Amino acid sequence: QVQLVESGGGVVQPGRSLRLSCTASGFTFSSYGMHWVRQAPGKGLEWVAVIWYDGSNKYYIDSVKGRFTISRDNSKNMLYLQMNSLRAEDTAVYYCARDPDLGVTTYDYWGQGTLVTVSS
Amino acid sequence: QSVLTQPPSVSAAPGQKVTISCSGSSSNIGNNYVSWYQQLPGTAPKLLIYDNNKRPSGIPDRFSGSKSGTSATLGITGLQTGDEADYYCGTWDSSLSAGVFGGGTKLSVL
Repeated sequence: QVQLVESGGGVVQPGRSLRLSCTASGFTFSSYGMHWVRQAPGKGLEWVAVIWYDGSNKYYIDSVKGRFTISRDNSKNMLYLQMNSLRAEDTAVYYCARDPDLGVTTYDYWGQGTLVTVSS
Repeated sequence: QSVLTQPPSVSAAPGQKVTISCSGSSSNIGNNYVSWYQQLPGTAPKLLIYDNNKRPSGIPDRFSGSKSGTSATLGITGLQTGDEADYYCGTWDSSLSAGVFGGGTKLSVL
């Protein structure tokens, strides 16, 4: 069965860096686009970034451009989110989600999420 | 402020029907497929509807989706207390080159 497991969250000071990982299993990882979606405490869902199945294209929400980098290692079935220059407003649960068809942007499977807290 | 607009809350009695609207523009809903997600308290979102009106395997036909122009609607019939959750619409915005969600709608089954 499809499984997505995020890791790497924690408490970090403003301005520091953190790398999130998403371990995929149960499907051919290299055939799917992957997204990061976040949810601040008590707030709604916010799309963060997407990476094409082969890593050829990447898109980001404006608020993280230049600070966050999405990447993947298809040989290891891993998705990553490198987060630099973290801000308090980046505090959220971060979910990785699979996209079966990048042409329509659907998140058909989600991980359980990993909490990132940016605080001094 | 979300790109897609949803009502903050809706409510209805058990067994009744409810609809949740999602309003956007030509750069998102107007020219892209819409999906809907259910988020039960303390859990990750779950796909309910994709491609405007299709249900993934395992989603009961009490849940339906439709789209007209720059708006989409999620319908839920035969409401159950277990349907109490937050519901989100989502799509791609071609002008922003970004995924977008509605602000979410909290469903109460009274």
